[in-house]
Amino acid sequence: GAVVSQHPSWVICKSGTSVKIECRSLDFQATTMFWYRQFPKQSLMLMATSNEGSKATYEQGVEKDKFLINHASLTLSTLTVTSAHPEDSSFYICSAMPGQKLEKLFFGSGTQLSVL
Amino acid sequence: GESVGLHLPTLSVQEGDNSIINCAYSNSASDYFIWYKQESGKGPQFIIDIRSNMDKRQGQRVTVLLNKTVKHLSLQIAATQPGDSAVYFCAETGNTGKLIFGQGTTLQVKP
Repeated sequence: GAVVSQHPSWVICKSGTSVKIECRSLDFQATTMFWYRQFPKQSLMLMATSNEGSKATYEQGVEKDKFLINHASLTLSTLTVTSAHPEDSSFYICSAMPGQKLEKLFFGSGTQLSVL
Repeated sequence: GESVGLHLPTLSVQEGDNSIINCAYSNSASDYFIWYKQESGKGPQFIIDIRSNMDKRQGQRVTVLLNKTVKHLSLQIAATQPGDSAVYFCAETGNTGKLIFGQGTTLQVKP
């Protein structure tokens, strides 16, 4: 089946630094990718929709200058957490789909970010 | 606002028994629903889906039931195994076509 690769799987950083998370679709072209955030024992919250070649669409309450999304190619989207603070510590998950069918949405394995 | 919720936060079952995980949704316009399984430290894994023009769909050991009248979705797992232990989320498409996730139910399978 289709595979979405997310890297790194975990990262620890100091407060004030920036962290980049990559999401790659390995065997299909993803015109749309989604980024989610998940706190412990909570559900996935959609942060933004990443469209190849255009600006990302952010959900209400998500700071676009804080969470920079770049979808420069049909197989790669990146999420950069800028000037990270301890409250940004969370599990970040990406998902991707070929075309517009949610039936074909595949999730990455997630990135655990810990900000000290 | 839109929400998808689950009735029970934790479900504990004996190995070999059947499990039923419930979900209530609020958006009557949703036309597509998915159940996901998430193991600790991993991304969600697709289990089964159903469209609003159906009320039941079966997979391997899993069945999804949809009751649009009361906006209720359930996931039935037959002969639950230890490997089924995980958090289960229902998700709906809502008005925007994006997936809205419920709060999750933790399934614990006792040997």
